[in-house]
Amino acid sequence: EAEVAQSPRYKITEKSQAVAFWCDPISGHATLYWYRQILGQGPELLVQFQDESVVDDSQLPKDRFSAERLKGVDSTLKIQPAELGDSAMYLCASSLGHFSYEQYFGPGTRLTVT
Amino acid sequence: ELKVEQNPLFLSMQEGKNYTIYCNYSTTSDRLYWYRQDPGKSLESLFVLLSNGAVKQEGRLMASLDTKARLSTLHITAAVHDLSATYFCAVVHSGGSNYKLTFGKGTLLTVNP
Repeated sequence: EAEVAQSPRYKITEKSQAVAFWCDPISGHATLYWYRQILGQGPELLVQFQDESVVDDSQLPKDRFSAERLKGVDSTLKIQPAELGDSAMYLCASSLGHFSYEQYFGPGTRLTVT
Repeated sequence: ELKVEQNPLFLSMQEGKNYTIYCNYSTTSDRLYWYRQDPGKSLESLFVLLSNGAVKQEGRLMASLDTKARLSTLHITAAVHDLSATYFCAVVHSGGSNYKLTFGKGTLLTVNP
């Protein structure tokens, strides 16, 4: 069964350092999402791609976060510099399209900033 | 801005008992998801509810949707320990040219022997 892949699964970094997360969506899925889930909360959308284009990044803290999906397949989310408050689970999801298609979630990257 | 509220946020049950988790949302939507999340794991889709009056059941879990009341319920029948997890509802809504999912805060369910 096809799955969304993410790496690394766990990352510990010191504040002010740069970190990057990678996501490979299910083959053929045009839409890719990055979510942040703070412990005890529901996931919150950071950025949404349709193919290689950003559809929604209204909740992405653009002073320190960036995301790209250059060839419309896999994607990278970067944080520079990391802050203590960035400690969270970062989830990637993909769907066939951005109109009411079900999203499939990857295993996530657990980030701890010390 | 769409708000999704779940209650209770914490639920401790005994095995064999029944209970209901509620999910209220603030604006019109015709699609709602229920997800399960085990500690440290990702989200597993349980149900998608597409229309008013929709009811879906899988094992000991049954979900329903009332779009007029903007309410969904997740009913647990004769709970067993394996159901211990966090349950999220998520509502689809239109954000301009795309659809977005907004999640509730989740209900942490603990089923005790």
